[in-house]
Amino acid sequence: GAGVSQSPSNKVTEKGKDVELRCDPISGHTALYWYRQSLGQGLEFLIYFQGNSAPDKSGLPSDRFSAERTGGSVSTLTIQRTQQEDSAVYLCASSPPPGVNSPLHFGNGTRLTVT
Amino acid sequence: AQSVTQLGSHVSVSEGALVLLRCNYSSSVPPYLFWYVQYPNQGLQLLLKYTSAATLVKGINGFEAEFKKSETSFHLTKPSAHMSDAAEYFCAVSAVSNFGNEKLTFGTGTRLTIIP
Repeated sequence: GAGVSQSPSNKVTEKGKDVELRCDPISGHTALYWYRQSLGQGLEFLIYFQGNSAPDKSGLPSDRFSAERTGGSVSTLTIQRTQQEDSAVYLCASSPPPGVNSPLHFGNGTRLTVT
Repeated sequence: AQSVTQLGSHVSVSEGALVLLRCNYSSSVPPYLFWYVQYPNQGLQLLLKYTSAATLVKGINGFEAEFKKSETSFHLTKPSAHMSDAAEYFCAVSAVSNFGNEKLTFGTGTRLTIIP
C-alpha cells in the first residue's frame, strides 16, 4: 500500500489480557516509530526503530510494553497484562532515514479499549 | 530538553473568519518545528514545517506559520476558515535523541471547530 497500515483498527480487551498491535510501514522507510495518543494528553513517544540499530525504547511506560521489528519492516507492539490506563490510540509512523528532517507518515492508529 | 505548549485546547471560528492556533516552544538548540493535522479516525498529516530557512512557512490547505524567535512562537494561521478545516491540530518540536533519531515532542493539541 501507499501509506502506513495498522491493524486492528479497534481492539477491545479485558484487563489482564495481552494484546498485539501491528504496523506495516511505507516501503523503503527505514525508520519506524510508535506513539500513544491519550485523551487530552497529546502524543507520547514510545519506541523508535532505525534499520538494524538498537531501538530507542526510552518512551516505553513499563516493562509490560515491548516491540519488535522483523526484517526491518513490519513492527508489532505488545502490551502484556493490560490495564485500564493502557486504553488509548496507538499510532505508528515511518520515515526515511534521519538527518533530512523528513516528515513522519502516520497510520490511522489502533484504538485500544481495556475493560 | 524540548517542549511545546499549545494555548487553547478548543478553538471555534466562523466560516470565512481568520484561524489562529497558538504554539510556543522551548528548546535549548535551534528548533525544527512542525504542525500536524488529524481528521477524525485518521492518523496525523503534516501541514508544514520550519527548518531554519524562511521564517514564514506556507503549508497545505492555505495554512501558514511564522517562526518568531524573540517570542519563541510558531503560531498557525489561515486567512479564511473552511468547514473542512475542522480537525485537531498538533504543534511539534524535533529533538535529536541519544540514539541519533529525530524524536518529535508534540503539544496536547487544539481542536478546531468551524461555525457555519
